[in-house]
Amino acid sequence: AQSVTQLGSHVSVSEGALVLLRCNYSSSVPPYLFWYVQYPNQGLQLLLKYTTGATLVKGINGFEAEFKKSETSFHLTKPSAHMSDAAEYFCAVSGPGRRALTFGSGTRLQVQP
Amino acid sequence: GAVVSQHPSRVICKSGTSVKIECRSLDFQATTMFWYRQFPKQSLMLMATSNEGSKATYEQGVEKDKFLINHASLTLSTLTVTSAHPEDSSFYICSARSKGNTEAFFGQGTRLTVV
Repeated sequence: AQSVTQLGSHVSVSEGALVLLRCNYSSSVPPYLFWYVQYPNQGLQLLLKYTTGATLVKGINGFEAEFKKSETSFHLTKPSAHMSDAAEYFCAVSGPGRRALTFGSGTRLQVQP
Repeated sequence: GAVVSQHPSRVICKSGTSVKIECRSLDFQATTMFWYRQFPKQSLMLMATSNEGSKATYEQGVEKDKFLINHASLTLSTLTVTSAHPEDSSFYICSARSKGNTEAFFGQGTRLTVV
Protein backbone atom coordinates (compact mmCIF):
# COMPACT_ATOMS: atom_id res chain seq x y z
CA ALA A 1 0.00 0.00 0.00
CA GLN A 2 1.08 3.55 -0.65
CA SER A 3 0.16 6.84 0.92
CA VAL A 4 1.22 10.45 0.83
CA THR A 5 1.07 13.08 3.55
CA GLN A 6 1.41 16.73 2.75
CA LEU A 7 2.00 18.84 5.81
CA GLY A 8 0.21 22.14 5.65
CA SER A 9 -2.92 22.59 3.58
CA HIS A 10 -2.07 26.26 3.13
CA VAL A 11 1.33 27.91 2.80
CA SER A 12 1.78 31.64 2.39
CA VAL A 13 5.06 33.26 1.39
CA SER A 14 6.15 36.67 0.24
CA GLU A 15 7.20 37.23 -3.33
CA GLY A 16 10.91 36.47 -3.57
CA ALA A 17 10.94 34.26 -0.49
CA LEU A 18 11.83 30.59 -0.31
CA VAL A 19 9.06 28.13 -1.06
CA LEU A 20 9.04 24.84 0.88
CA LEU A 21 6.19 22.38 0.47
CA ARG A 22 6.47 19.21 2.50
CA CYS A 23 5.68 15.71 1.39
CA ASN A 24 6.18 12.42 3.17
CA TYR A 25 5.31 9.09 1.67
CA SER A 26 4.77 5.51 2.63
CA SER A 27 5.44 2.72 0.18
CA SER A 28 6.12 -0.98 0.42
CA VAL A 29 8.00 -0.89 -2.88
CA PRO A 30 10.61 1.53 -4.22
CA PRO A 31 8.56 4.62 -4.91
CA TYR A 32 8.16 6.80 -7.91
CA LEU A 33 7.46 10.29 -6.63
CA PHE A 34 5.85 13.23 -8.37
CA TRP A 35 4.92 16.84 -7.78
CA TYR A 36 2.05 18.36 -9.74
CA VAL A 37 0.63 21.86 -9.88
CA GLN A 38 -3.05 22.63 -10.43
CA TYR A 39 -4.54 25.97 -11.32
CA PRO A 40 -8.27 26.60 -10.67
CA ASN A 41 -10.57 24.43 -12.77
CA GLN A 42 -7.67 22.92 -14.67
CA GLY A 43 -5.95 19.59 -14.86
CA LEU A 44 -2.57 18.79 -13.40
CA GLN A 45 0.79 19.80 -14.75
CA LEU A 46 3.87 17.80 -13.84
CA LEU A 47 6.54 19.84 -12.09
CA LEU A 48 9.06 17.07 -11.56
CA LYS A 49 9.43 13.40 -10.81
CA TYR A 50 11.80 10.96 -9.17
CA THR A 51 12.04 7.39 -10.36
CA THR A 52 15.62 6.23 -9.96
CA GLY A 53 19.09 7.74 -9.97
CA ALA A 54 19.96 11.19 -8.69
CA THR A 55 18.00 12.05 -5.59
CA LEU A 56 17.93 15.79 -6.26
CA VAL A 57 15.47 16.39 -9.05
CA LYS A 58 15.08 19.65 -10.91
CA GLY A 59 11.80 20.52 -12.53
CA ILE A 60 10.10 23.27 -14.42
CA ASN A 61 9.66 26.86 -13.26
CA GLY A 62 12.66 26.71 -10.95
CA PHE A 63 11.29 24.02 -8.66
CA GLU A 64 13.31 21.15 -7.31
CA ALA A 65 12.81 18.31 -4.86
CA GLU A 66 15.06 15.90 -3.03
CA PHE A 67 14.24 12.27 -2.42
CA LYS A 68 15.37 11.27 1.06
CA LYS A 69 14.78 7.61 1.62
CA SER A 70 15.83 7.68 5.27
CA GLU A 71 13.23 10.35 5.97
CA THR A 72 10.66 9.04 3.46
CA SER A 73 10.37 12.59 2.22
CA PHE A 74 10.18 14.38 -1.10
CA HIS A 75 9.89 18.07 -0.23
CA LEU A 76 9.42 20.65 -2.98
CA THR A 77 11.44 23.86 -2.94
CA LYS A 78 11.94 26.99 -4.96
CA PRO A 79 14.49 29.64 -3.98
CA SER A 80 12.37 32.65 -4.91
CA ALA A 81 8.60 32.69 -5.17
CA HIS A 82 6.78 34.46 -7.98
CA MET A 83 3.18 35.62 -7.96
CA SER A 84 2.48 33.13 -10.75
CA ASP A 85 3.43 30.26 -8.44
CA ALA A 86 0.18 30.70 -6.51
CA ALA A 87 -1.69 27.44 -7.07
CA GLU A 88 -2.49 24.06 -5.56
CA TYR A 89 0.37 21.60 -5.36
CA PHE A 90 0.00 17.86 -5.11
CA CYS A 91 2.59 15.28 -4.17
CA ALA A 92 1.96 11.80 -5.53
CA VAL A 93 3.46 8.35 -5.33
CA SER A 94 3.32 5.27 -7.45
CA GLY A 95 5.44 2.20 -7.82
CA PRO A 96 6.60 -0.24 -10.45
CA GLY A 97 3.78 -2.60 -9.66
CA ARG A 98 1.03 0.00 -9.55
CA ARG A 99 0.71 2.51 -12.29
CA ALA A 100 -1.97 4.67 -10.72
CA LEU A 101 -0.93 7.62 -8.64
CA THR A 102 -1.84 8.07 -5.02
CA PHE A 103 -2.13 11.75 -4.25
CA GLY A 104 -1.59 13.73 -1.12
CA SER A 105 -4.26 16.10 0.11
CA GLY A 106 -2.66 19.07 -1.58
CA THR A 107 -1.10 22.34 -0.43
CA ARG A 108 -2.42 25.69 -1.53
CA LEU A 109 0.41 28.13 -2.03
CA GLN A 110 -0.31 31.82 -1.67
CA VAL A 111 2.26 34.39 -2.72
CA GLN A 112 1.96 37.79 -1.14
CA PRO A 113 3.26 40.86 -2.96
CA GLY B 1 5.08 16.90 -23.43
CA ALA B 2 2.26 14.68 -24.56
CA VAL B 3 -1.22 16.13 -24.79
CA VAL B 4 -4.39 14.73 -23.29
CA SER B 5 -7.62 16.43 -24.27
CA GLN B 6 -10.70 16.09 -22.11
CA HIS B 7 -14.18 17.22 -23.11
CA PRO B 8 -16.37 18.84 -22.14
CA SER B 9 -14.67 21.17 -19.69
CA ARG B 10 -17.97 21.98 -18.04
CA VAL B 11 -21.36 20.34 -18.15
CA ILE B 12 -24.61 20.92 -16.35
CA CYS B 13 -27.22 18.21 -16.48
CA LYS B 14 -30.54 17.41 -14.91
CA SER B 15 -30.84 14.81 -12.21
CA GLY B 16 -31.56 11.39 -13.68
CA THR B 17 -29.85 11.97 -17.00
CA SER B 18 -26.54 10.54 -18.19
CA VAL B 19 -23.39 12.42 -19.09
CA LYS B 20 -20.44 11.25 -21.18
CA ILE B 21 -16.94 12.63 -20.72
CA GLU B 22 -14.26 11.98 -23.31
CA CYS B 23 -10.53 11.70 -22.78
CA ARG B 24 -8.25 11.61 -25.80
CA SER B 25 -4.51 11.23 -26.12
CA LEU B 26 -3.61 13.42 -29.06
CA ASP B 27 -0.05 12.44 -29.87
CA PHE B 28 0.63 9.11 -28.21
CA GLN B 29 -0.96 5.75 -27.68
CA ALA B 30 -2.50 5.52 -24.26
CA THR B 31 -2.35 1.89 -23.24
CA THR B 32 -3.63 2.81 -19.80
CA MET B 33 -6.03 5.54 -18.76
CA PHE B 34 -7.03 6.59 -15.28
CA TRP B 35 -10.13 8.40 -14.09
CA TYR B 36 -10.01 10.52 -10.97
CA ARG B 37 -12.60 12.47 -9.06
CA GLN B 38 -11.88 15.61 -7.10
CA PHE B 39 -14.27 17.22 -4.65
CA PRO B 40 -13.87 20.92 -3.85
CA LYS B 41 -10.72 21.69 -1.94
CA GLN B 42 -9.83 18.01 -1.79
CA SER B 43 -7.34 15.72 -3.44
CA LEU B 44 -7.79 13.48 -6.43
CA MET B 45 -9.25 10.08 -5.75
CA LEU B 46 -8.72 7.29 -8.24
CA MET B 47 -11.98 5.90 -9.55
CA ALA B 48 -10.83 3.35 -12.06
CA THR B 49 -8.03 2.18 -14.30
CA SER B 50 -8.66 1.07 -17.85
CA ASN B 51 -6.43 -0.72 -20.29
CA GLU B 52 -7.20 -0.58 -23.98
CA GLY B 53 -9.50 -3.37 -24.99
CA SER B 54 -10.07 -4.59 -21.44
CA LYS B 55 -12.68 -3.98 -18.79
CA ALA B 56 -11.89 -1.22 -16.36
CA THR B 57 -10.71 -1.99 -12.85
CA TYR B 58 -12.68 0.02 -10.33
CA GLU B 59 -11.49 1.17 -6.94
CA GLN B 60 -13.32 0.03 -3.86
CA GLY B 61 -16.50 1.97 -3.31
CA VAL B 62 -16.88 3.11 -6.92
CA GLU B 63 -20.06 1.79 -8.57
CA LYS B 64 -19.13 0.31 -11.91
CA ASP B 65 -22.74 0.36 -13.10
CA LYS B 66 -22.98 4.06 -12.39
CA PHE B 67 -19.63 5.12 -13.77
CA LEU B 68 -19.27 3.33 -17.09
CA ILE B 69 -15.79 3.39 -18.54
CA ASN B 70 -14.95 2.45 -22.08
CA HIS B 71 -11.44 2.32 -23.51
CA ALA B 72 -12.10 1.05 -26.98
CA SER B 73 -9.04 2.50 -28.69
CA LEU B 74 -5.50 3.53 -27.84
CA THR B 75 -6.43 7.18 -28.01
CA LEU B 76 -9.88 7.40 -26.46
CA SER B 77 -11.49 6.56 -23.16
CA THR B 78 -14.93 7.65 -22.05
CA LEU B 79 -16.56 7.96 -18.65
CA THR B 80 -20.34 7.94 -18.58
CA VAL B 81 -22.07 9.00 -15.41
CA THR B 82 -25.44 7.27 -15.56
CA SER B 83 -28.57 8.50 -13.82
CA ALA B 84 -26.66 11.41 -12.39
CA HIS B 85 -27.62 12.87 -9.04
CA PRO B 86 -26.52 16.08 -7.32
CA GLU B 87 -24.01 14.17 -5.20
CA ASP B 88 -22.22 13.19 -8.40
CA SER B 89 -21.36 16.83 -8.97
CA SER B 90 -17.60 16.99 -8.94
CA PHE B 91 -14.47 17.63 -10.98
CA TYR B 92 -13.51 14.60 -13.03
CA ILE B 93 -9.98 14.27 -14.41
CA CYS B 94 -8.51 11.68 -16.71
CA SER B 95 -4.90 10.80 -17.23
CA ALA B 96 -3.21 8.65 -19.82
CA ARG B 97 0.00 6.72 -19.95
CA SER B 98 1.78 4.93 -22.76
CA LYS B 99 3.35 1.53 -22.33
CA GLY B 100 6.59 1.59 -20.41
CA ASN B 101 6.29 5.25 -19.45
CA THR B 102 6.46 6.26 -15.80
CA GLU B 103 4.62 9.51 -16.40
CA ALA B 104 0.91 9.92 -16.93
CA PHE B 105 -0.42 13.04 -18.63
CA PHE B 106 -3.55 14.72 -17.40
CA GLY B 107 -6.55 16.14 -19.15
CA GLN B 108 -7.92 19.55 -18.31
CA GLY B 109 -10.72 18.12 -16.22
CA THR B 110 -14.50 18.27 -16.45
CA ARG B 111 -16.66 20.17 -13.99
CA LEU B 112 -19.94 18.27 -13.69
CA THR B 113 -22.88 19.95 -12.03
CA VAL B 114 -26.08 17.97 -11.57
CA VAL B 115 -29.15 20.05 -10.85
